[in-house]
Amino acid sequence: GDSVTQMEGPVTLSEEAFLTINCTYTATGYPSLFWYVQYPGEGLQLLLKATKADDKGSNKGFEATYRKETTSFHLEKGSVQVSDSAVYFCALSGTSWGKFQFGAGTQVVVTP
Amino acid sequence: ETGVTQSPTHLIKTRGQQVTLRCSSQSGHNTVSWYQQALGQGPQFIFQYYREEENGRGNFPPRFSGLQFPNYSSELNVNALELDDSALYLCASSFKQGATNEKLFFGSGTQLSVL
Repeated sequence: GDSVTQMEGPVTLSEEAFLTINCTYTATGYPSLFWYVQYPGEGLQLLLKATKADDKGSNKGFEATYRKETTSFHLEKGSVQVSDSAVYFCALSGTSWGKFQFGAGTQVVVTP
Repeated sequence: ETGVTQSPTHLIKTRGQQVTLRCSSQSGHNTVSWYQQALGQGPQFIFQYYREEENGRGNFPPRFSGLQFPNYSSELNVNALELDDSALYLCASSFKQGATNEKLFFGSGTQLSVL
């Protein structure tokens, strides 16, 4: 079945550092790919998405490119802020409409 | 942006009891999904409702059941609670139109503790 694997955390960075969170997936067909972010005590918020190969999703300085050849959707940000501290989830929506498959999440801690 | 609300925010139950969690979808959305998020894990799909009918189910036993009402609000019911049911339960609404994989809007969740 569909699955998502993302790098384990926590990832600890200094402010203004470059962030990469790796995400790879297994799915039949052509899934849509998403990054969600969860701040402490809150639900998940959509950060960005891509619906087909080579699409680039971007939002709030974050970017991720749908790479079908490597089945990856790595999240990047060029200069992180303390406010980016959160847990980031990679997810896919595949052949079963409405069912999203999430990775285990990667905690990011940004220090001043 | 999200207008999904869940109640209660926290709940403590004992093993064997039954629990009902509630969710109000974002205005204009016709689909609601429920997810279970264990500590340190990603959300796991429980089921989805569309137009008041179950429209997909994950790998959860029948003691997990749900309802969707005409106003698109929803309930998640869990019978015969087990210790492993302790988790954050997330409701997510979306708008289903055709075959588009619409994004999900999540509520803040209900933290269930089973003692």
